[in-house]
Amino acid sequence: SQQGEEDPQALSIQEGENATMNCSYKTSINNLQWYRQNSGRGLVHLILIRSNEREKHSGRLRVTLDTSKKSSSLLITASRAADTASYFCATDAGTSGSRLTFGEGTQLTVNP
Amino acid sequence: GAGVSQSPSNKVTEKGKDVELRCDPISGHTALYWYRQRLGQGLEFLIYFQGNSAPDKSGLPSDRFSAERTGESVSTLTIQRTQQEDSAVYLCASRQFPDAGRQYFGPGTRLTVT
Repeated sequence: SQQGEEDPQALSIQEGENATMNCSYKTSINNLQWYRQNSGRGLVHLILIRSNEREKHSGRLRVTLDTSKKSSSLLITASRAADTASYFCATDAGTSGSRLTFGEGTQLTVNP
Repeated sequence: GAGVSQSPSNKVTEKGKDVELRCDPISGHTALYWYRQRLGQGLEFLIYFQGNSAPDKSGLPSDRFSAERTGESVSTLTIQRTQQEDSAVYLCASRQFPDAGRQYFGPGTRLTVT
């Protein structure tokens, strides 16, 4: 089964609104990463948060990590139509060369 | 600099044929990963290469799947006797050790088995 599970599966909002996506996982991790995928092809790395960090910011992105609950959230503020994409969380448990275990993703649609 | 490249971009093949997918990692990246993504799903780990160490093949779904890597450069993923359930996007990623953990993904190869 997938280590990471995103919630919601799909999210539709208006430009300018904030978008929040959640991710839960099952095992201990070294870090958790968020990626964006446009049109089902290459993934773009957004942000990485280590297991000893609780919050991290990058531009309009804010990521939180709660290791006691094994969950993370990604907040995109002041969304734009260009943010429309699939967003995946991926966990690095430090096994197999730090291979990543991905969730099913959240499809975000930002309407102009 | 150049990112991870993959070829072909798209591949349509008949059931039962063999296919080879190629990945060129970022120069200097010692680690290389292959993932598979079925339509509407997340990525599944297939195989991992690190330098000259034996690859971790624990994610390969069957013995029809194999992969090779020449030193710290090009990798090829081979699928023999393709089946319709092999249809997916195959993504390659590379990473430089030691680093913070980020993987750099290629654009993927979309494989369609008819």
